[in-house]
Amino acid sequence: TQLLEQSPQFLSIQEGENLTVYCNSSSVFSSLQWYRQEPGEGPVLLVTVVTGGEVKKLKRLTFQFGDARKDSSLHITAAQPGDTGLYLCAGEYNFNKFYFGSGTKLNVKP
Amino acid sequence: SQTIHQWPATLVQPVGSPLSLECTVEGTSNPNLYWYRQAAGRGLQLLFYSVGIGQISSEVPQNLSASRPQDRQFILSSKKLLLSDSGFYLCASLFGDTQYFGPGTRLTVL
Repeated sequence: TQLLEQSPQFLSIQEGENLTVYCNSSSVFSSLQWYRQEPGEGPVLLVTVVTGGEVKKLKRLTFQFGDARKDSSLHITAAQPGDTGLYLCAGEYNFNKFYFGSGTKLNVKP
Repeated sequence: SQTIHQWPATLVQPVGSPLSLECTVEGTSNPNLYWYRQAAGRGLQLLFYSVGIGQISSEVPQNLSASRPQDRQFILSSKKLLLSDSGFYLCASLFGDTQYFGPGTRLTVL
């Protein structure tokens, strides 16, 4: 059972373009996290959002948690080749259990 | 800060052979520990979850088992590997609301 759906699955864009990745579920989460993963390495946490409607900014990255705490989005402004990687969302429910989305593979071409 | 060690880094095993992957954590005590499996370029599937020594929660019925013989040691095992057990295995530890991941073990079953 896939609890979290991410879209798009793949994204290839030119340097300088903007993009948005979506993470959707029919379940309510106590928190939602976004990770970035390089090939052959473990995921690294980018941000945790907890409150419905919350917006967090991390330099060129903007994260939003839906009002009902069922969905989230990650927006990148002026993408750079260094942003290339696999982006994963993960929802926490049942207290300290995390379920991951299917991932979005981003390639930013110079 | 926490450090998570996993070994081996890579492993090639024949079908039907046993498996033992080890994860150890430094820098914290009594952590929640997790085993995940990841298919290439995809999201993470939660396999096992532990809140303490000897306490294991299995998320997916399968050919694998987990044990936690010590507070900061988490072991993933199998008596007889299947082709479908191939993948990238990640151990994680929870600190606050953040999961920290180990470097992973790449398992190939032939």
